[in-house]
Amino acid sequence: AQKVTQAQTEISVVEKEDVTLDCVYETRDTTYYLFWYKQPPSGELVFLIRRNSFDEQNEISGRYSWNFQKSTSSFNFTITASQVVDSAVYFCALSIGTSYGKLTFGQGTILTVHP
Amino acid sequence: DSGVTQTPKHLITATGQRVTLRCSPRSGDLSVYWYQQSLDQGLQFLIQYYNGEERAKGNILERFSAQQFPDLHSELNLSSLELGDSALYFCASSKTSGTLDTQYFGPGTRLTVL
Repeated sequence: AQKVTQAQTEISVVEKEDVTLDCVYETRDTTYYLFWYKQPPSGELVFLIRRNSFDEQNEISGRYSWNFQKSTSSFNFTITASQVVDSAVYFCALSIGTSYGKLTFGQGTILTVHP
Repeated sequence: DSGVTQTPKHLITATGQRVTLRCSPRSGDLSVYWYQQSLDQGLQFLIQYYNGEERAKGNILERFSAQQFPDLHSELNLSSLELGDSALYFCASSKTSGTLDTQYFGPGTRLTVL
């Protein structure tokens, strides 16, 4: 069975600080996808990034960057120079090759950015 | 705006009642997924439909059922409601049925059972 662990339940930072959200996953499948979603206070789930198991290249998109390391089964998410609008719950999710796209989510990390 | 629509946005009902949640996928998407988000269980996959056919099932209760219609919209039916069914129900859609696709989520329906 697959599992996603986000050990940080809540993180609080001050604006302009960098913050890293941790995600550790477990699966026996060799083909899988990892995702990050953002849930702002308004409640919707917003897709941020998808990464497949064969591509360990890190990715940067503006202030967001992701570090995928198969050796430690981790897919961490860093926000550089955080802003108040980054305050949200962030979910890491896993989809395995045989699951027809079913997403297994972590418990989420509540990020609060104070002005 | 993901392009996935869900109605209603909020639903308040009583125990023992039955409700129907509706989802319209993004244009061109054939797969629809239903998820439940509750405080104690987190985000849980319920069921997936692809082009009208059930494709995968999660921990969906027998009191819950879903279907996908020829126009690809989907409905999630919840019956004999209990207090514990209070949750945010999300619909997501993707182009195909496989792992390769990204799922885009609707705004959710917040169900409150009193």
